[in-house]
Amino acid sequence: AQTVTQSQPEMSVQEAETVTLSCTYDTSESDYYLFWYKQPPSRQMILVIRQEAYKQQNATENRFSVNFQKAAKSFSLKISDSQLGDAAMYFCAYRSAGLGSSNTGKLIFGQGTTLQVKP
Amino acid sequence: DAGITQSPRYKITETGRQVTLMCHQTWSHSYMFWYRQDLGHGLRLIYYSAAADITDKGEVPDGYVVSRSKTENFPLTLESATRSQTSVYFCASSFSRGLEAFFGQGTRLTVV
Repeated sequence: AQTVTQSQPEMSVQEAETVTLSCTYDTSESDYYLFWYKQPPSRQMILVIRQEAYKQQNATENRFSVNFQKAAKSFSLKISDSQLGDAAMYFCAYRSAGLGSSNTGKLIFGQGTTLQVKP
Repeated sequence: DAGITQSPRYKITETGRQVTLMCHQTWSHSYMFWYRQDLGHGLRLIYYSAAADITDKGEVPDGYVVSRSKTENFPLTLESATRSQTSVYFCASSFSRGLEAFFGQGTRLTVV
């Protein structure tokens, strides 16, 4: 079974600085997708960034980028120029992409990391 | 309204009662999911569905039942509510495996 682990329950960063959130996963599959979601106090889940496992290039979305290390099964999120609005809980997620009968598109999440941004 | 909606937003029920949480999406997404969110555990998958009439267990299915007779609806039933099922429940849907999942606003359920 696939698992996702976020080992940092809480992180803090000074406004305008850079912070990296860690995520590791365990899978025997070769074809999958990885996601980072943001959950602000409103509880709404918002997609931050997405990575296809077959792509070696790290995904980037404005101030958000990932460091995807497939062999190490690591998928960290880097937030540059942190803003007060980045304060939220961040979830790493894994989703199988295979089309075999055992791959039913299950989407699983890590435990989350609460990010505090200090002014 | 377009999107994915959950109802009710808040619910208080008594131990032993049956309660159903509703989830409706207007996009005709194939995949739908139910999660519970608890402090320290993140989002844990309860059940998911790849299409109408196809459902499968997630990580924490005990005490829950789902059905999916129509693509747009995916209700979650707690057959006999227990205090350990006090949680925030999220429903989500996605069109395909590679695309993002869209989430409802959550239902805060309290079992007393």
